[in-house]
Amino acid sequence: SAVISQKPSRDICQRGTSLTIQCQVDSQVTMMFWYRQQPGQSLTLIATANQGSEATYESGFVIDKFPISRPNLTFSTLTVSNMSPEDSSIYLCSPRTGNTGELFFGEGSRLTVL
Amino acid sequence: DQQVKQNSPSLSVQEGRISILNCDYTNSMFDYFLWYKKYPAEGPTFLISISSIKDKNEDGRFTVFLNKSAKHLSLHIVPSQPGDSAVYFCAARGYGGSQGNLIFGKGTKLSVKP
Repeated sequence: SAVISQKPSRDICQRGTSLTIQCQVDSQVTMMFWYRQQPGQSLTLIATANQGSEATYESGFVIDKFPISRPNLTFSTLTVSNMSPEDSSIYLCSPRTGNTGELFFGEGSRLTVL
Repeated sequence: DQQVKQNSPSLSVQEGRISILNCDYTNSMFDYFLWYKKYPAEGPTFLISISSIKDKNEDGRFTVFLNKSAKHLSLHIVPSQPGDSAVYFCAARGYGGSQGNLIFGKGTKLSVKP
């Protein structure tokens, strides 16, 4: 399984500000997934980030709110823009690995928006 | 509309007994089903998976059963241990896996009492 590191691990943010989450993977992967887990909810896919092309966003998520960068095959960032309390979540990145379905996650980034 | 459903938000089991966690799905096009375990302040950890062409997969104390006609899968933990206390997520991958992303249920919190 890949080793996934995210920064920050947690943060408390003010409404209206933006925060960038970094995701570092210890192997080269072409596809990276960004998920969100709101309190008491399931993990929901925000977008799929491919190196060298624009990210693909799921229904309900837009690039202006969650811009993503993918400068190389081991790194990606997700920015949560103009935050509101509803953005308080755990944000998780996961590299797409093998063909047997499993995705691996790091500890995630827990954001609390006041 | 939730495609993966875990209808029991919590389950309490005595140490040494069997824990049975249930999951239902609505989409016949899933090709892999997975179970994840999540401790507080940690990311989800992959536990076990099953291909849609199988009906059982076993790994140590963990067994996953798939009933395609009922669109139902379950995770059996035998014997249950206090360290198994965590939130368990059921997940499914779309057929073909060209994207590879997973759809998660809302989770079931398992408490194993000594």
